[in-house]
Amino acid sequence: EDQVTQSPEALRLQEGESSSLNCSYTVSGLRGLFWYRQDPGKGPEFLFTLYSAGEEKEKERLKATLTKKESFLHITAPKPEDSATYLCAVQAPRDNQGGKLIFGQGTELSVKP
Amino acid sequence: ETGVTQSPTHLIKTRGQQVTLRCSSQSGHNTVSWYQQALGQGPQFIFQYYREEENGRGNFPPRFSGLQFPNYSSELNVNALELDDSALYLCASSLLNLAGGGNEQFFGPGTRLTVL
Repeated sequence: EDQVTQSPEALRLQEGESSSLNCSYTVSGLRGLFWYRQDPGKGPEFLFTLYSAGEEKEKERLKATLTKKESFLHITAPKPEDSATYLCAVQAPRDNQGGKLIFGQGTELSVKP
Repeated sequence: ETGVTQSPTHLIKTRGQQVTLRCSSQSGHNTVSWYQQALGQGPQFIFQYYREEENGRGNFPPRFSGLQFPNYSSELNVNALELDDSALYLCASSLLNLAGGGNEQFFGPGTRLTVL
């Protein structure tokens, strides 16, 4: 069964304290792995797409990496405005499931000044 | 470029009623997907529409149905509402990759549905 597991469930950091979020996945034929940021009560905001093992993407203080079994979202010197829930999702093969995204439960990040 | 919009923002219904949620896709996109997100959980795939036809469905009962219109906007209809249907309903638009590769989905702000 296709599955995505994120850890930790919650992470509290001090401003400037770098850390990483983990996304482990099992899927038959990865078409893409996606990272989203979600603020409370709002829709997910697209951050990155990774397609193959070894690929890396960066945006400001965020860097996403991908292996054959997991992805990491590295946060360097975080600021309070980085506080949000970070969601990881994989895209399943396009059989009768369309282009559905399979999401993990998210990691709630809190950055204190 | 106009992003994905959804209406209404919030909705309160009672058990057994019916509800219609609406979504306008991002300019240039031809595919709309709907997701249900319970509090503290990741979004769960309901179904996807491409060229006005259902292009995939998750594990949701038939009382969840949808439509896509020629302008690529979409509706989600839920009949016989149950208490467990209370959730944030998200619409995502994308450009279908006919070559079979992955494609980014861009989400709207969501509709918060409360069933009493």
